Parts: sequence; C-alpha cells; structure tokens
Amino acid sequence: DIQMTQSPSTLSASVGDRVTITCRASQSISRYLNWYQQKPGRPPKLLIYAASSLQSGVPSRFSGSGSGTDFTLTISSLQPEDFATYYCQQSYSAPMYAFGQGTKLEIK
Amino acid sequence: QVQLQESGPGLVKPSQTLSLTCTVSGGSISSDSYYWTWIRQPAGKGPEWIGRIYSSGSTNYNPSLESRVTMSVDTSKNQFSLRLSSVTAADTAVYYCAREGRSWYFLDYWGQGSLVTVSS
Repeated sequence: DIQMTQSPSTLSASVGDRVTITCRASQSISRYLNWYQQKPGRPPKLLIYAASSLQSGVPSRFSGSGSGTDFTLTISSLQPEDFATYYCQQSYSAPMYAFGQGTKLEIK
Repeated sequence: QVQLQESGPGLVKPSQTLSLTCTVSGGSISSDSYYWTWIRQPAGKGPEWIGRIYSSGSTNYNPSLESRVTMSVDTSKNQFSLRLSSVTAADTAVYYCAREGRSWYFLDYWGQGSLVTVSS
C-alpha cells in the first residue's frame, strides 16, 4: 500500500502569511496527487488535482507543485477563511486511495 | 451544478446492516466520465475510502471492508447505495458520497455527509 505522510500536523500562521504544507508518498505516484480543504462540519473541498491544477472556482492564492514522491500545497497570502484542515490524497493506486493524516492550519 | 445528498438511518445497532443512499441531481449518474464513491470519516480522523461504483454496476471496494460492503446503482432514480453489514462501534463515522473523475481520479463533488452511529 502507498502511504502518505503530511507535515506539519499543525501549523500556526497569521492572516497575510505565506504557508506551505508538504505531502510525501512512500513510493512514486507521478502527479496523481490531490489536495482538499475541510472545515468543521463540512465535506472536504477539492482545491488542487493532478499535483498542480487549480480546481475551478478556487482562489489563485492556492497552488500545488511536485511529482514523484514529494508535493507541496502553498497558500500565498492567508485569508481568514483559509483556516481549516488540509488533506492530500494519492490517486495513483486508484481505485485504492490513501489520504494523508491532515494538516490543521490555525490562527496564530 | 451537481449536487449529492446522502440519506439513511443515523443509528444502527451492532451486528446489523448500515444502509445509505446517495441521490445525485444536476447531472446524470449514467455519465461515462465518472465513478460514484463512498468515503467515511470517523470523528477527528482523516477520510477513508470505502469503495466506488460505475453506472454499469461494476464496483471496487476497499480490501479492508470488502467482505462486508455492497454497492448498487439505480440509474432510473439517479441514485447509488451503500450497504455495510455486521457493523460495530468502529464503523461509527460521517459517511460521504462523492463523484470521482475517471481521468485523474479526484473527488470533485461531495454530499454534505451523514453521521451514522453504531450503538445499541
């Protein structure tokens, strides 16, 4: 099974900060990596697919990069609505997916 | 705009069968571009993939749940369903249905989620 490891588990930041979340796969997954944002009591929301493609309607301050085993999600300038939990998901081994354990982005 | 909505009992007794239905609106479940997927999320934990179904009825299940899971699709009602048998407290979670693209396999539309509690 492909394991996904996100870091950090928790991140404290301020409005306006640039933040980066990392996701590492236990083996190469090419660009089959998706990022989701989840707020309490809500379903996950797709932000980035295929490592770097921005989902329609998602603000351009979100960006993704990487291929192989190492991936990053960057928020260029944090907005109040961005404080949430972020998950990476590998879809290389579809249909057997794996999500990362999540990164909780908190207000500093 | 595609919308998905889960429905089903919120409380199931141990050893019984959990049954949920997902109704899709704003798009056809018969589209050949998508799979229809079930995900669950225990409180405070990350999402777990349960399985998916195609409009033809072909399925893929998480090996850890495969012996207890059955999915079905009703294209006439634009619905798909999940049955999970012999439930225990470990199956308590929010259950989501979602649409999965057949290219990069991302989940682009999700239902709001249905909390299912397993308790006597």
